[in-house]
Amino acid sequence: ILNVEQSPQSLHVQEGDSTNFTCSFPSSNFYALHWYRWETAKSPEALFVMTLNGDEKKKGRISATLNTKEGYSYLYIKGSQPEDSATYLCAFYDSWGKLQFGAGTQVVVTP
Amino acid sequence: NAGVTQTPKFRVLKTGQSMTLLCAQDMNHEYMYWYRQDPGMGLRLIHYSVGEGTTAKGEVPDGYNVSRLKKQNFLLGLESAAPSQTSVYFCASSPEGLAGGNTQYFGPGTRLTVL
Repeated sequence: ILNVEQSPQSLHVQEGDSTNFTCSFPSSNFYALHWYRWETAKSPEALFVMTLNGDEKKKGRISATLNTKEGYSYLYIKGSQPEDSATYLCAFYDSWGKLQFGAGTQVVVTP
Repeated sequence: NAGVTQTPKFRVLKTGQSMTLLCAQDMNHEYMYWYRQDPGMGLRLIHYSVGEGTTAKGEVPDGYNVSRLKKQNFLLGLESAAPSQTSVYFCASSPEGLAGGNTQYFGPGTRLTVL
């Protein structure tokens, strides 16, 4: 059973469109929420570490928000490009020092 | 810097065989981790190390052993491989623990098949 859930499991986006997807996690014992980007045949790479309720992070066309009280984070991709195609992983780090990964959202951007 | 490297990249074992996966990092990181990744599931932590000479169990440690004799290397051993250990194994490292807002740096993965 995954305590960290990501939805949707996959999505297809037209080039130029914007999209977003969700990471849900337990609202108790929160310490940090990590986002990773994982391209096929490569290693997962860190995007953001978010620690405070209301946090917003941005890296280029990718941004993320955090709501620790209700236990969710959104990742947004603005003006999707084919190079944004990847699996996006979130990981919940709790106050016990345990890091749990979600199964990921696979994003496919078609030209 | 090579970052985090893993050897081998692929391996096929027969049930009952043993093998060791090697993870090396050149970033002088204190913490190192071994994960397995299975379809439909998130990365699951097998074992981790908070420094040279130390190891600890993660979420799914059964059937695996680890050693951290040198700071830069973290070895994952399978003493008697089972088909349930067919998976992709990822090594990761971080400068310190994750409590300080640190992130993990991942290796390229090892695809292991146990027949």
